[in-house]
Amino acid sequence: DTAVSQTPKYLVTQMGNDKSIKCEQNLGHDTMYWYKQDSKKFLKIMFSYNNKELIINETVPNRFSPKSPDKAHLNLHINSLELGDSAVYFCASSVQSSEAFFGQGTRLTVV
Amino acid sequence: GQQVMQIPQYQHVQEGEDFTTYCNSSTTLSNIQWYKQRPGGHPVFLIQLVKSGEVKKQKRLTFQFGEAKKNSSLHITATQTTDVGTYFCAGPWTGYSTLTFGKGTMLLVSP
Repeated sequence: DTAVSQTPKYLVTQMGNDKSIKCEQNLGHDTMYWYKQDSKKFLKIMFSYNNKELIINETVPNRFSPKSPDKAHLNLHINSLELGDSAVYFCASSVQSSEAFFGQGTRLTVV
Repeated sequence: GQQVMQIPQYQHVQEGEDFTTYCNSSTTLSNIQWYKQRPGGHPVFLIQLVKSGEVKKQKRLTFQFGEAKKNSSLHITATQTTDVGTYFCAGPWTGYSTLTFGKGTMLLVSP
């Protein structure tokens, strides 16, 4: 069984569209993350969420919003997509800030 | 905010040569973690260091945590082509359940 799974793996969409990326973990972890990896391979934290708090990187545009229906899921919703949003988005989970397990990534291309 | 700096950004070595990447934090870390990301893959956890001055080894990989718990290094002895990838250090934001990643060191090994 896949520990952290995210869908879709590839997403090609037009500017201005709204899209969601789903993430699920079956590890029983209490903390989930979304990271953006650009062409330079930098891993930028976007959100961190556990059952107590949502931490938002203040540099993330408010077009991005995390949605957590339960502890095992943290979905990423993006409004009004822009060309600069093209990147690989990784979901991850951990127990507090210990070892993080990553999903396979979603390659988003905005055209 | 907390910053985790990593150098070098890129290194190209011949197979058999040694390689070292360095990680520095602007604040004291409760722990530091290292991850490896193969080309086209996702970050995979390698190790976690917790104690001041700690040294851990995994075959040809040696990890060190500084005495002040603000810096760390990863050394690979006699690199192999299978070592190719990007190596990231990561540390928790003080007081938060969030992992901040360094910008990574991309290692290329020529046969």
